[in-house]
Amino acid sequence: SAVISQKPSRDICQRGTSLTIQCQVDSQVTMMFWYRQQPGQSLTLIATANQGSEATYESGFVIDKFPISRPNLTFSTLTVSNMSPEDSSIYLCSVRILSGNTIYFGEGSWLTVV
Amino acid sequence: GESVGLHLPTLSVQEGDNSIINCAYSNSASDYFIWYKQESGKGPQFIIDIRSNMDKRQGQRVTVLLNKTVKHLSLQIAATQPGDSAVYFCAERAAGNKLTFGGGTRVLVKP
Repeated sequence: SAVISQKPSRDICQRGTSLTIQCQVDSQVTMMFWYRQQPGQSLTLIATANQGSEATYESGFVIDKFPISRPNLTFSTLTVSNMSPEDSSIYLCSVRILSGNTIYFGEGSWLTVV
Repeated sequence: GESVGLHLPTLSVQEGDNSIINCAYSNSASDYFIWYKQESGKGPQFIIDIRSNMDKRQGQRVTVLLNKTVKHLSLQIAATQPGDSAVYFCAERAAGNKLTFGGGTRVLVKP
Protein backbone atom coordinates (compact mmCIF):
# COMPACT_ATOMS: atom_id res chain seq x y z
CA SER A 1 0.00 0.00 0.00
CA ALA A 2 0.99 3.66 0.13
CA VAL A 3 0.75 6.43 2.67
CA ILE A 4 -0.43 9.61 0.99
CA SER A 5 -0.15 12.88 2.90
CA GLN A 6 -2.08 15.93 1.81
CA LYS A 7 -1.71 19.47 3.08
CA PRO A 8 -3.74 21.36 4.06
CA SER A 9 -6.35 18.93 5.30
CA ARG A 10 -8.92 21.72 5.59
CA ASP A 11 -9.07 25.40 4.80
CA ILE A 12 -11.50 28.25 4.52
CA CYS A 13 -10.56 30.57 1.68
CA GLN A 14 -11.68 33.97 0.52
CA ARG A 15 -13.12 34.18 -2.97
CA GLY A 16 -10.66 35.45 -5.54
CA THR A 17 -7.65 33.94 -3.78
CA SER A 18 -5.64 30.87 -4.75
CA LEU A 19 -4.59 27.89 -2.67
CA THR A 20 -1.95 25.25 -3.32
CA ILE A 21 -2.49 21.71 -2.08
CA GLN A 22 0.48 19.42 -1.59
CA CYS A 23 0.58 15.65 -1.96
CA GLN A 24 3.48 13.55 -0.71
CA VAL A 25 3.69 9.77 -1.08
CA ASP A 26 5.93 7.50 0.96
CA SER A 27 6.70 4.99 -1.78
CA GLN A 28 7.57 4.82 -5.43
CA VAL A 29 4.57 5.48 -7.62
CA THR A 30 4.01 5.25 -11.33
CA MET A 31 1.14 7.65 -11.65
CA MET A 32 -0.39 10.49 -9.66
CA PHE A 33 -3.85 11.94 -10.14
CA TRP A 34 -5.97 14.75 -8.75
CA TYR A 35 -9.70 14.31 -8.19
CA ARG A 36 -12.46 16.61 -7.04
CA GLN A 37 -15.41 15.54 -4.95
CA GLN A 38 -18.14 18.15 -4.64
CA PRO A 39 -20.41 17.99 -1.58
CA GLY A 40 -22.51 14.84 -1.56
CA GLN A 41 -21.23 13.71 -4.93
CA SER A 42 -18.90 11.20 -6.49
CA LEU A 43 -15.31 11.72 -7.57
CA THR A 44 -14.32 13.41 -10.81
CA LEU A 45 -10.84 13.26 -12.29
CA ILE A 46 -9.25 16.67 -12.75
CA ALA A 47 -5.94 15.65 -14.28
CA THR A 48 -3.05 13.23 -14.38
CA ALA A 49 0.11 14.74 -12.91
CA ASN A 50 3.09 13.99 -15.13
CA GLN A 51 6.60 14.10 -13.75
CA GLY A 52 8.58 16.94 -15.21
CA SER A 53 5.98 17.95 -17.78
CA GLU A 54 2.56 19.50 -18.06
CA ALA A 55 -0.34 17.65 -16.52
CA THR A 56 -2.97 15.99 -18.68
CA TYR A 57 -6.35 17.59 -17.98
CA GLU A 58 -9.78 16.06 -18.33
CA SER A 59 -12.61 17.72 -20.17
CA GLY A 60 -13.92 20.67 -18.21
CA PHE A 61 -10.69 21.37 -16.35
CA VAL A 62 -8.00 23.78 -17.53
CA ILE A 63 -4.46 24.56 -16.52
CA ASP A 64 -5.13 28.23 -15.78
CA LYS A 65 -7.67 27.27 -13.13
CA PHE A 66 -5.94 24.16 -11.77
CA PRO A 67 -2.18 24.38 -12.34
CA ILE A 68 -0.42 21.17 -11.33
CA SER A 69 3.21 20.39 -10.72
CA ARG A 70 5.01 17.12 -10.21
CA PRO A 71 8.72 17.77 -9.79
CA ASN A 72 9.56 14.20 -8.77
CA LEU A 73 8.04 10.74 -8.50
CA THR A 74 6.53 11.15 -5.05
CA PHE A 75 5.37 14.77 -4.80
CA SER A 76 2.74 16.85 -6.57
CA THR A 77 0.87 20.08 -6.03
CA LEU A 78 -2.53 21.28 -7.21
CA THR A 79 -3.41 24.96 -7.13
CA VAL A 80 -7.01 26.10 -7.17
CA SER A 81 -6.85 29.59 -8.68
CA ASN A 82 -9.15 32.57 -8.33
CA MET A 83 -11.51 30.63 -6.15
CA SER A 84 -15.27 31.03 -6.08
CA PRO A 85 -17.82 29.33 -3.80
CA GLU A 86 -18.38 26.74 -6.55
CA ASP A 87 -14.85 25.51 -5.92
CA SER A 88 -15.81 24.39 -2.42
CA SER A 89 -14.98 20.69 -2.61
CA ILE A 90 -12.75 17.94 -1.42
CA TYR A 91 -9.61 17.70 -3.52
CA LEU A 92 -8.05 14.26 -3.50
CA CYS A 93 -4.63 13.06 -4.52
CA SER A 94 -4.40 9.48 -5.72
CA VAL A 95 -1.55 7.26 -6.83
CA ARG A 96 -0.81 3.99 -8.51
CA ILE A 97 2.12 2.40 -6.77
CA LEU A 98 5.02 0.80 -8.59
CA SER A 99 4.34 -2.71 -7.37
CA GLY A 100 0.70 -3.18 -8.35
CA ASN A 101 -2.53 -2.12 -10.00
CA THR A 102 -4.25 -0.62 -7.02
CA ILE A 103 -4.97 3.09 -6.93
CA TYR A 104 -4.90 4.65 -3.48
CA PHE A 105 -6.28 7.93 -2.22
CA GLY A 106 -5.18 10.46 0.31
CA GLU A 107 -7.53 11.78 2.98
CA GLY A 108 -8.33 14.82 0.89
CA SER A 109 -8.12 18.57 1.28
CA TRP A 110 -11.48 20.01 2.27
CA LEU A 111 -11.82 23.54 0.91
CA THR A 112 -14.60 25.96 1.69
CA VAL A 113 -14.67 29.21 -0.28
CA VAL A 114 -16.51 32.13 1.29
CA GLY B 1 -18.72 9.58 -22.24
CA GLU B 2 -18.55 6.20 -20.57
CA SER B 3 -19.97 6.08 -17.09
CA VAL B 4 -20.42 3.81 -14.13
CA GLY B 5 -23.73 3.87 -12.30
CA LEU B 6 -25.33 2.38 -9.22
CA HIS B 7 -28.82 0.93 -8.76
CA LEU B 8 -29.45 1.95 -5.13
CA PRO B 9 -28.45 5.26 -3.60
CA THR B 10 -29.09 4.15 0.01
CA LEU B 11 -29.07 0.71 1.57
CA SER B 12 -30.30 0.08 5.12
CA VAL B 13 -29.24 -3.23 6.58
CA GLN B 14 -29.63 -4.88 9.95
CA GLU B 15 -26.46 -5.54 11.85
CA GLY B 16 -25.35 -9.11 11.21
CA ASP B 17 -27.12 -9.40 7.87
CA ASN B 18 -25.37 -9.53 4.52
CA SER B 19 -25.21 -6.43 2.29
CA ILE B 20 -25.17 -6.38 -1.47
CA ILE B 21 -24.24 -3.23 -3.36
CA ASN B 22 -24.72 -3.20 -7.11
CA CYS B 23 -23.05 -1.25 -9.87
CA ALA B 24 -23.57 -1.10 -13.63
CA TYR B 25 -20.79 -0.07 -15.96
CA SER B 26 -20.91 0.78 -19.62
CA ASN B 27 -17.33 0.68 -20.90
CA SER B 28 -16.66 -2.81 -22.25
CA ALA B 29 -12.97 -1.89 -22.59
CA SER B 30 -12.52 -1.52 -18.82
CA ASP B 31 -10.09 -4.13 -17.57
CA TYR B 32 -10.05 -3.52 -13.84
CA PHE B 33 -12.61 -2.65 -11.22
CA ILE B 34 -12.27 -1.40 -7.67
CA TRP B 35 -14.59 -0.92 -4.73
CA TYR B 36 -13.89 1.91 -2.29
CA LYS B 37 -15.36 2.74 1.09
CA GLN B 38 -15.59 6.36 2.16
CA GLU B 39 -16.38 7.20 5.75
CA SER B 40 -17.50 10.63 6.77
CA GLY B 41 -14.63 13.11 6.69
CA LYS B 42 -12.18 10.71 5.10
CA GLY B 43 -10.79 9.86 1.71
CA PRO B 44 -11.83 6.73 -0.24
CA GLN B 45 -10.37 3.55 1.20
CA PHE B 46 -9.56 0.60 -1.06
CA ILE B 47 -11.66 -2.46 -0.26
CA ILE B 48 -11.21 -4.98 -3.03
CA ASP B 49 -10.48 -5.15 -6.72
CA ILE B 50 -11.05 -7.53 -9.60
CA ARG B 51 -9.60 -7.89 -13.06
CA SER B 52 -11.82 -8.34 -16.07
CA ASN B 53 -10.57 -11.89 -16.62
CA MET B 54 -12.12 -12.97 -13.30
CA ASP B 55 -15.73 -13.25 -12.22
CA LYS B 56 -15.32 -13.50 -8.47
CA ARG B 57 -12.84 -12.47 -5.84
CA GLN B 58 -13.05 -12.81 -2.08
CA GLY B 59 -11.49 -10.86 0.71
CA GLN B 60 -12.10 -10.64 4.41
CA ARG B 61 -15.92 -10.51 4.74
CA VAL B 62 -16.19 -9.04 1.25
CA THR B 63 -16.76 -10.60 -2.14
CA VAL B 64 -16.80 -8.87 -5.50
CA LEU B 65 -18.66 -10.40 -8.42
CA LEU B 66 -18.20 -9.34 -12.02
CA ASN B 67 -20.64 -10.21 -14.78
CA LYS B 68 -19.18 -8.95 -18.04
CA THR B 69 -22.12 -10.21 -20.08
CA VAL B 70 -24.45 -7.67 -18.52
CA LYS B 71 -21.72 -5.25 -17.39
CA HIS B 72 -22.57 -5.60 -13.75
CA LEU B 73 -20.44 -5.46 -10.64
CA SER B 74 -21.48 -6.17 -7.06
CA LEU B 75 -19.95 -6.00 -3.60
CA GLN B 76 -21.16 -8.39 -0.94
CA ILE B 77 -20.41 -7.69 2.70
CA ALA B 78 -20.95 -10.60 5.05
CA ALA B 79 -22.25 -10.09 8.59
CA THR B 80 -22.49 -6.34 8.25
CA GLN B 81 -21.19 -4.40 11.24
CA PRO B 82 -21.77 -0.83 12.42
CA GLY B 83 -18.27 0.03 11.20
CA ASP B 84 -19.40 -0.81 7.67
CA SER B 85 -21.64 2.26 7.61
CA ALA B 86 -20.20 4.46 4.87
CA VAL B 87 -20.59 5.42 1.23
CA TYR B 88 -19.37 2.78 -1.20
CA PHE B 89 -18.11 3.61 -4.68
CA CYS B 90 -17.39 1.32 -7.57
CA ALA B 91 -14.81 2.45 -10.09
CA GLU B 92 -13.69 1.13 -13.45
CA ARG B 93 -10.35 1.60 -15.12
CA ALA B 94 -10.00 2.01 -18.85
CA ALA B 95 -7.22 3.69 -20.79
CA GLY B 96 -4.47 5.63 -19.04
CA ASN B 97 -5.11 4.20 -15.58
CA LYS B 98 -7.89 6.72 -15.12
CA LEU B 99 -10.76 5.70 -12.89
CA THR B 100 -14.39 6.46 -13.61
CA PHE B 101 -16.51 6.39 -10.47
CA GLY B 102 -20.11 5.46 -9.90
CA GLY B 103 -22.45 7.73 -8.01
CA GLY B 104 -22.03 6.02 -4.64
CA THR B 105 -24.30 4.00 -2.34
CA ARG B 106 -24.75 4.91 1.30
CA VAL B 107 -24.93 1.90 3.59
CA LEU B 108 -26.64 2.42 6.95
CA VAL B 109 -26.27 -0.37 9.48
CA LYS B 110 -29.09 -0.59 11.99
CA PRO B 111 -28.30 -2.03 15.41
